[in-house]
Amino acid sequence: DAEITQSPRHKITETGRQVTLACHQTWNHNNMFWYRQDLGHGLRLIHYSYGVQDTNKGEVSDGYSVSRSNTEDLPLTLESAASSQTSVYFCASSESSGDPQETQYFGPGTRLLVL
Amino acid sequence: EDQVTQSPEALRLQEGESSSLNCSYTVSGLRGLFWYRQDPGKGPEFLFTLYSAGEEKEKERLKATLTKKESFLHITAPKPEDSATYLCAVQAPQGGSEKLVFGKGTKLTVNP
Repeated sequence: DAEITQSPRHKITETGRQVTLACHQTWNHNNMFWYRQDLGHGLRLIHYSYGVQDTNKGEVSDGYSVSRSNTEDLPLTLESAASSQTSVYFCASSESSGDPQETQYFGPGTRLLVL
Repeated sequence: EDQVTQSPEALRLQEGESSSLNCSYTVSGLRGLFWYRQDPGKGPEFLFTLYSAGEEKEKERLKATLTKKESFLHITAPKPEDSATYLCAVQAPQGGSEKLVFGKGTKLTVNP
């Protein structure tokens, strides 16, 4: 079955280190998204992509970057991890058929702790 | 600024006790309203999409409705397995993007 996976599921790192979180989907969806989820906040959009070589900043993009070299993957990189980036990160994807209301489907999440 | 407010923040029900969750929104030109269910330690699971005022959708014990300013998720005769956090999200025109704005969720607990 088609799915969306994230790795690692749990990660502990130190302040200042570069961290990359992986997201892989087998639905062949054009659109991919990265969110973070924190207590007291709803899911907040970090970056998103509408296709290969396309990336866009979301609501909380500072300190994060993404690249899209193929349809299946959208890795999220924390250039220099900060304690404020301790969070649960979710990747999502949606089909792009010209209908703007396409549903986003979410991965299982990565829990990141920055010490 | 587009906003989504969910209430209550938490709700405890006894098994079989029906109730409703609320999602109010302030967006210009709603394109779609989405309901998700999220279990602890897991990603949000899609439930419904509503597109226009007056629309209703049902799935098992859940029914979602939409007005011009809010949506309700009605839970009829809930069971303990319905315990989860329910998330609401709206999509509005933003230069053709598909960005969603999420509420903070309602944590539902159903006691046996």
